[in-house]
Amino acid sequence: NAGVTQTPKFQVLKTGQSMTLQCAQDMNHEYMSWYRQDPGMGLRLIHYSVGAGITDQGEVPNGYNVSRSTTEDFPLRLLSAAPSQTSVYFCASRDSLAKNIQYFGAGTRLSVL
Amino acid sequence: AQSVTQLGSHVSVSEGALVLLRCNYSSSVPPYLFWYVQYPNQGLQLLLKYTSAATLVKGINGFEAEFKKSETSFHLTKPSAHMSDAAEYFCAVSARQSGYALNFGKGTSLLVTP
Repeated sequence: NAGVTQTPKFQVLKTGQSMTLQCAQDMNHEYMSWYRQDPGMGLRLIHYSVGAGITDQGEVPNGYNVSRSTTEDFPLRLLSAAPSQTSVYFCASRDSLAKNIQYFGAGTRLSVL
Repeated sequence: AQSVTQLGSHVSVSEGALVLLRCNYSSSVPPYLFWYVQYPNQGLQLLLKYTSAATLVKGINGFEAEFKKSETSFHLTKPSAHMSDAAEYFCAVSARQSGYALNFGKGTSLLVTP
């Protein structure tokens, strides 16, 4: 049981490049989300999904796209990377709302030059 | 909107001393409250959660938190700090918006000195 798996662990981009951060979970969780973590800011919600085919915006969605074609995968796409997107990105999945526990991946550290 | 505020971005304690990390919440309805811990270069791990079943919540690694409605607080404590407790600690509330996503505080970095 791998839990939540994020790839890559590290990435360096040039301004204007695009890329996709991968997130996969093997717990059959319906709810998945992406956060970014910046020093002194805590974690802020980018996008979330309550099931396959359903996504919505969080607190800081600009510059990011998501899709959810399967229950297992929830990729985050940076359309045109900017230095302001330098951050650590965490993917999370949640079991039932009754239990309401979110499980986090190990994170992707992204630098945009 | 439901939110949390963590008081003190850095807390330093001696090994064996009491750990107290402060969190106040803002919510017009009974909240779901959480404490997560993040060790260096790792993801977040759940320490404990409050779901209104009991005001004193016991978590992993000897941590506990008490929900005080009158003070809108959910402070995290541990009677005796260990060197391995050094980490970043986040208080979070599960907000109704965004599918009950977590709204995090800004975090408190705990330093444990010998």
